[in-house]
Amino acid sequence: QKEVEQNSGPLSVPEGAIASLNCTYSDRGSQSFFWYRQYSGKSPELIMFIYSNGDKEDGRFTAQLNKASQYVSLLIRDSQPSDSATYLCADDRGGSQGNLIFGKGTKLSVKP
Amino acid sequence: DAGVTQSPTHLIKTRGQQVTLRCSPKSGHDTVSWYQQALGQGPQFIFQYYEEEERQRGNFPDRFSGHQFPNYSSELNVNALLLGDSALYLCASSLGPRWFFGPGTRLTVL
Repeated sequence: QKEVEQNSGPLSVPEGAIASLNCTYSDRGSQSFFWYRQYSGKSPELIMFIYSNGDKEDGRFTAQLNKASQYVSLLIRDSQPSDSATYLCADDRGGSQGNLIFGKGTKLSVKP
Repeated sequence: DAGVTQSPTHLIKTRGQQVTLRCSPKSGHDTVSWYQQALGQGPQFIFQYYEEEERQRGNFPDRFSGHQFPNYSSELNVNALLLGDSALYLCASSLGPRWFFGPGTRLTVL
């Protein structure tokens, strides 16, 4: 059974700090990963998409992928209270097929 | 450019009834996937439609069925509703590797 594991949190960080969210996956053949943000009662919103080993940066967000360790992370710099949400990591099961396997999500709370 | 839209927003049904949920993909997107998200869980893949055919299916019973129309819009049908079918049903569309979700339909089964 292919799985994606995330710490459910809550992860609490002060405003302006770096929030670090982590995700591990079981399928060694997995190629690409997504990070979604989901506010309470809303649908997931795409933040980042990564398929190469290393880092990918977009504004305050950096996604990191380590295929050898089967580990994906999301760093949020200069965290804001508006970043408070649940962050979902998803495995694209080997590439662009839209059959995403999601973790349960990590709840992030940014305190003013 | 309108994003993914879904209707209705909320729905209340009783056990044993049938329900149809609708999805219009983002403009130009030809592939639609449906997900079920129970409270406190990540979304779970139900099935995917492309070129009006079911291309992939997750671990859901045959009570869950779907359809895609020539304009790429899609329907999800659930028969013989169970209490456990209460969830947020999400539609996602794509033209490439990035998947965008609609606002979802909150289904409550009493």
